[in-house]
Amino acid sequence: GAVVSQHPSRVICKSGTSVKIECRSLDFQATTMFWYRQFPKQSLMLMATSNEGSKATYEQGVEKDKFLINHASLTLSTLTVTSAHPEDSSFYICSATKTGSHSEAFFGQGTRLTVV
Amino acid sequence: AQKITQTQPGMFVQEKEAVTLDCTYDTSDQSYGLFWYKQPSSGEMIFLIYQGSYDEQNATEGRYSLNFQKARKSANLVISASQLGDSAMYFCAMRGPNTGNQFYFGTGTSLTVIP
Repeated sequence: GAVVSQHPSRVICKSGTSVKIECRSLDFQATTMFWYRQFPKQSLMLMATSNEGSKATYEQGVEKDKFLINHASLTLSTLTVTSAHPEDSSFYICSATKTGSHSEAFFGQGTRLTVV
Repeated sequence: AQKITQTQPGMFVQEKEAVTLDCTYDTSDQSYGLFWYKQPSSGEMIFLIYQGSYDEQNATEGRYSLNFQKARKSANLVISASQLGDSAMYFCAMRGPNTGNQFYFGTGTSLTVIP
């Protein structure tokens, strides 16, 4: 199956700094990627839809200035958590899909962010 | 609006027994896809099985099968011959054309396999 690589898998940063998370589709072109946030023992919460070459579409309640998304190429989307605070600590996971509703989502390995 | 419901927050099953994880959904789409994912404690999302809304046969993948009842809008996952490595969170998800092809996830079921 298709492979999506997410990096880093774990990051610890100081409060007030910014963290960039990369999501790459390794063997297919992904015009759309999705970014999720997951709290412990909860489901995946869609944060935003990342569209190649255009602005990301954010879900209601997600601060676009806080969570910057860049989808500069058909294989790479990045999520930058700006001025991170302890409440931003969470598990962030990206996915990419091929077009058509009959294709599963391919997920990255996830990034566990801890802000201290 | 799309909605996925998993009513079992936690399930226990004896090793080598079969277990059914429930999933119901609501959608106005005529064509849609239903998916099950496994998430072990490492956090990765592992695709298990897919069922298309127009598929007449229930999907099967090894020990996984999907009990698809379209009229009841249910897509239950059946795991046969449970193994200790099956202990994980399981998420039901749906994707359809009227949702921008986004995936909608249920709240998940935590499965524990008892030796």
